[in-house]
Amino acid sequence: GAGVSQSPSNKVTEKGKDVELRCDPISGHTALYWYRQRLGQGLEFLIYFQGNSAPDKSGLPSDRFSAERTGESVSTLTIQRTQQEDSAVYLCASSADRTGELFFGEGSRLTVL
Amino acid sequence: DQQVKQNSPSLSVQEGRISILNCDYTNSMFDYFLWYKKYPAEGPTFLISISSIKDKNEDGRFTVFLNKSAKHLSLHIVPSQPGDSAVYFCAAGHAGNNRKLIWGLGTSLAVNP
Repeated sequence: GAGVSQSPSNKVTEKGKDVELRCDPISGHTALYWYRQRLGQGLEFLIYFQGNSAPDKSGLPSDRFSAERTGESVSTLTIQRTQQEDSAVYLCASSADRTGELFFGEGSRLTVL
Repeated sequence: DQQVKQNSPSLSVQEGRISILNCDYTNSMFDYFLWYKKYPAEGPTFLISISSIKDKNEDGRFTVFLNKSAKHLSLHIVPSQPGDSAVYFCAAGHAGNNRKLIWGLGTSLAVNP
């Protein structure tokens, strides 16, 4: 597809379970970002990839959160032992380089019961 | 403490009139400001940006004004159209550093026919 694609669009899980969220960036975009937006809050930066490396993981809220990117393409964000406060919309964005316009996916809405 | 504030959670205007969305920031080191628009169930899309070396940037019906002394920016939409109804996010950061953008909570604009 032409845009950033995220899956699943909705995920409901039980507290303590692991979840994996996927992002397919725009082809050729070297920079990839993960954000989250909790209810009533602004977008919160989580992690940034340039190629397959993550020079900035400063936004990851705890060691339960991890992300990887392979083939300078698909990225997965993994949340282990989910907690209720992890409930949010997780947004992925890509850009042609670290300075370019961000193109966002539709987000993955995570609900932890 | 929110570094980027959009104090109006919602705004309603008549079609054809001007919409003015406001944004205040606290960090005088920000030198790059953006507006993104978000429709329901979609990711944010880039609308317009402005560098701190300018005080105005115009793109069609959309104009962003920056008042550095007041640490305030505004987005003007003239004339407003029903299709402009969306949530508008203000973001601030540093040119060339997408990952450090700080986002406001958004203002929901409703343009009534």
